[in-house]
Amino acid sequence: GQQVMQIPQYQHVQEGEDFTTYCNSSTTLSNIQWYKQRPGGHPVFLIQLVKSGEVKKQKRLTFQFGEAKKNSSLHITATQTTDVGTYFCAGPRTGANNLFFGTGTRLTVIP
Amino acid sequence: ETGVTQTPRHLVMGMTNKKSLKCEQHLGHNAMYWYKQSAKKPLELMFVYSLEERVENNSVPSRFSPECPNSSHLFLHLHTLQPEDSALYLCASSQDEGYQPQHFGDGTRLSIL
Repeated sequence: GQQVMQIPQYQHVQEGEDFTTYCNSSTTLSNIQWYKQRPGGHPVFLIQLVKSGEVKKQKRLTFQFGEAKKNSSLHITATQTTDVGTYFCAGPRTGANNLFFGTGTRLTVIP
Repeated sequence: ETGVTQTPRHLVMGMTNKKSLKCEQHLGHNAMYWYKQSAKKPLELMFVYSLEERVENNSVPSRFSPECPNSSHLFLHLHTLQPEDSALYLCASSQDEGYQPQHFGDGTRLSIL
């Protein structure tokens, strides 16, 4: 079945360090979305990438879509405690007209 | 963000009880979703409604029964649940069905005794 794996599953970083999470799909994706879920909160949409090799930035966050459109990454520069949460990628569900969410990466930032 | 409102926020029920979860979206969206989120598991899509019509049911046990009376409201009726059904139930909406960004509610934390 369809798989969207994210690595690492957990990441602890010291405040100020960089962080990267990778999203790998078993199938080619027409687009990919990223969401952030704070502890005790709900997923919040961050961004959508559509083009092969696309790179988008939101302040300290850099999102990249792979050339083959089967993987994506989210990089956070100089993490802050407000970055704490679980980051999910999501892509089109195979054979359906909705999204399939990845396994998530839980980020902890140590002050 | 209060575009999608879920009630109750917390629910504890016995296995023989019947309860309902409610979701309301104020975004004018046409598609609504129910997800189950358990510890150490990715978001599991349960049901999809588009223009009040159920378009997907992802092999969800019949003890979960969705209802969408209009495009703004979505219910999840629960009966004779099992302990493994304890989880966070999230409602989401998007402008239309498809690969559009989804807006989530705060969820209902459900505990089955």
